[in-house]
Amino acid sequence: GAGVSQSPRYKVAKRGQDVALRCDPISGHVSLFWYQQALGQGPEFLTYFQNEAQLDKSGLPSDRFFAERPEGSVSTLKIQRTQQEDSAVYLCASSLTATGLTDNEQFFGPGTRLTVL
Amino acid sequence: SQQGEEDPQALSIQEGENATMNCSYKTSINNLQWYRQNSGRGLVHLILIRSNEREKHSGRLRVTLDTSKKSSSLLITASRAADTASYFCATDRQGGSEKLVFGKGTKLTVNP
Repeated sequence: GAGVSQSPRYKVAKRGQDVALRCDPISGHVSLFWYQQALGQGPEFLTYFQNEAQLDKSGLPSDRFFAERPEGSVSTLKIQRTQQEDSAVYLCASSLTATGLTDNEQFFGPGTRLTVL
Repeated sequence: SQQGEEDPQALSIQEGENATMNCSYKTSINNLQWYRQNSGRGLVHLILIRSNEREKHSGRLRVTLDTSKKSSSLLITASRAADTASYFCATDRQGGSEKLVFGKGTKLTVNP
């Protein structure tokens, strides 16, 4: 079956523009995660959904970042009034299990590379 | 914040040699996972080791975990040019949410 898909793969935005990044998780996966990966760094957690509920948004760097998963499948990460420091690869991951269960393998999408000019 | 610290930051070896990467972390964990990332691509899950396990094998991969030292190692035997990638360890914190906390990664280059 299909893996996690993300679109667009590349996005160039002018400073101040709003962007929306889409994630299609693996069908049936309960959990969905967004991570931000700066150049040369490891991914850093942004936010986590279990079905449609956003259970953890502690990693969102500012109130310009907003994520939703209204029907418990597709998720959108929106960044308002983009800044140059927002330039990074945004990775989405999904996993089958819900909170509290072990062996939580997360399957990652290819990422969206955002460049803010 | 990044919990894991991989060591070395970069490693260059010849095809056929073994590659060893180390990871240290700070808090108690449920599991530790290793991921590979090829340039410009997403992360691929390699292996998961639970906190009550000490060693695990998968093909040419061998992972060890020492919870008393809060460290793990990934050994790739008989390396191939196709193993060239960045390798990350990731932990999920005991009693915490499912989010993974990644290290900065080791960039492995396998020369043909």
